[in-house]
Amino acid sequence: QITLKESGPTLVKPTQTLTLTCTFSGFSLSTSGVGVGWIRQPPGKALEWLALIYWDDDKRYSPSLKSRLTITKDTSKNQVVLTMTNMDPVDTATYYCAHFNWEYNWFDPWGQGTLVTVSS
Amino acid sequence: QSALTQPASVSGSPGQSITISCTGTSSDVGSYNLVSWYQQHPGKAPKLMIYEVSKRPSGVSNRFSGSKSGNTASLTISGLQAEDEADYYCCSYAGSSLWVFGGGTKLTVL
Repeated sequence: QITLKESGPTLVKPTQTLTLTCTFSGFSLSTSGVGVGWIRQPPGKALEWLALIYWDDDKRYSPSLKSRLTITKDTSKNQVVLTMTNMDPVDTATYYCAHFNWEYNWFDPWGQGTLVTVSS
Repeated sequence: QSALTQPASVSGSPGQSITISCTGTSSDVGSYNLVSWYQQHPGKAPKLMIYEVSKRPSGVSNRFSGSKSGNTASLTISGLQAEDEADYYCCSYAGSSLWVFGGGTKLTVL
């Protein structure tokens, strides 16, 4: 059974850097065809794809946020870390991580999400 | 890379069928058969319902089906049930290992 869980601060100040950790079980990020993605959802709004890291350490970012995002993995700890710099109130959202399967091209399952509020 | 376009809301009565559209461009939906659909109940994480345009993961009811024509993908739910009331999001591959979601559709079961 695959599970993922996001962790990190619930409140950050404008201009600060956000660091979120996705801790997962039930799969290995060293297995070919596997990835972990980050998706966010502002309150009452739509999902937005942010980033994806693959088993081979290939990294992809949303073009609109690429300059602010960094995604890394620690295979030994079964963790993926997303950092987002220069946080702004518009970045207030629930941040989800999700297991990605290259063979089926799906994001499934997802973590429960973590709400991050950006406010001074 | 712009969000895919979905209707803000759709509604239907129990037992009826509804269809939710997801319109992209020739750079995403139109170029790849890699559209997936997610169901999200309030306060919950999204759940995969359809992948690769029309395939159903194990455990998903066969009342859910997907299709695509040109730059538009569609999700059809037949035999509507109260439990189907939720938000639905499409997602498409956009090339270069990039992905894009739709704006979401709120389904109301009358």
